Amino acid sequence: KQEVTQIPAALSVPEGENLVLNCSFTDSAIYNLQWFRQDPGKGLTSLLLIQSSQREQTSGRLNASLDKSSGRSTLYIAASQPGDSATYLCAVRMNSGNTPLVFGKGTRLSVIA
Amino acid sequence: DVKVTQSSRYLVKRTGEKVFLECVQDMDHENMFWYRQDPGLGLRLIYFSYDVKMKEKGDIPEGYSVSREKKERFSLILESASTNQTSMYLCASRDYLTDTQYFGPGTRLTVL
Repeated sequence: KQEVTQIPAALSVPEGENLVLNCSFTDSAIYNLQWFRQDPGKGLTSLLLIQSSQREQTSGRLNASLDKSSGRSTLYIAASQPGDSATYLCAVRMNSGNTPLVFGKGTRLSVIA
Repeated sequence: DVKVTQSSRYLVKRTGEKVFLECVQDMDHENMFWYRQDPGLGLRLIYFSYDVKMKEKGDIPEGYSVSREKKERFSLILESASTNQTSMYLCASRDYLTDTQYFGPGTRLTVL
């Protein structure tokens, strides 16, 4: 059974730092990997999706990479801002059909001004 | 903009009550999902539906049922609410073509 792990569970950084969030998964036969953001008390918002054939995806200050063979993904946030403070979750989809996403528990990020 | 709405942001119910949580999406998505989210346990899938009238159990279906009579509406039912069902409940729908999943704002349910 696929398991998705995110370490650390919480991270606090000063404003302006570049940072990396980690995600690992046990079964490398994934279809795609997705990163989400969740603000306190709110629903999740999709950030980036990386297909299994891709190595990375970029959106603004966010860059997500995927190393399928080693079962790892990273989310790089450049020049962090207090508004980036949120919980970041990664999730994997195992095939192109109706299989649900398997989520990690998330990393809670605090960017201190 | 895709919109997923949930009937209540906060709900307080008593043990033994029947509880309905409703979710509506406005983008004609086939797939819809119900999750609960608890500190330390993360997001757990309760039920999902990939078509009208079709439903599949997720990881923790016990104590819950669902209804999907129309494509845009997916309801989660707690037949007899218990205190261990106090949680944040999140509904989502999926755009199958882009594989983008859209979440509602959540319902924080407290069962006393």
